[in-house]
Amino acid sequence: EVQLVESGGGLVQPGGSLRLSCAASGFTFSSYWMSWVRQVSGKGLEWVANIKQDASEEYYGDSVKGRFTISRDNAKNSLYVQMHSLRVEDTAVYYCVAYSGTGGPSEYIQYWGQGTLVTVSS
Amino acid sequence: EVVLTQSPATLSLSPGERATLSCRASQSISNYLGWYQQKPGQAPRLLIYDVFNRATGIPARFSGSGSGTDFTLTISSLEPEDLALYYCQQRGNWPFTFGQGTKLEIK
Repeated sequence: EVQLVESGGGLVQPGGSLRLSCAASGFTFSSYWMSWVRQVSGKGLEWVANIKQDASEEYYGDSVKGRFTISRDNAKNSLYVQMHSLRVEDTAVYYCVAYSGTGGPSEYIQYWGQGTLVTVSS
Repeated sequence: EVVLTQSPATLSLSPGERATLSCRASQSISNYLGWYQQKPGQAPRLLIYDVFNRATGIPARFSGSGSGTDFTLTISSLEPEDLALYYCQQRGNWPFTFGQGTKLEIK
């Protein structure tokens, strides 16, 4: 059974930092593109960041570029995102997602975690 | 960034009726357009990929069409379990983007 389990969410003040983690199991983690996608209050999905299978490529959405850093550890089947200079508008549920990128349906999100809530507020 | 605009925001129909959901892109994305369904309390799941291909296990009542900048998801005969949010997503240009969603209500 495929599982993506996020952790590390919580309440943080504006300007603060937070690190989210995602533990993957049930599929060959090192063969998948991994990403963070966030959702604001039950609607509005936003693709935050993307990292290639071997971590040789990273991509960021404009709203988080320069503030967030995505990383992965294939030996630990884990994905991370380090978030700095957090803003109120970063408040969302953050999903860890995976896709293999081998064509057809695998170019879209195949697996989703359950999400972890990040709240940025004073 | 490619902006995807979905319409309508909310659609309220009865079981057995036909639902037509629209997704318009701010620039051409070729056929790199997918649709997801998100039921309450669940993560989204892929329904349609590359405009018109159904993902594994998706019933035949779901179909996709369109090209370039205008795309449509059609549910031919609504079932009560189709109550959900529906999102389009493009993978033609980074950053990949989603539409803002259409809420489908079943009367």
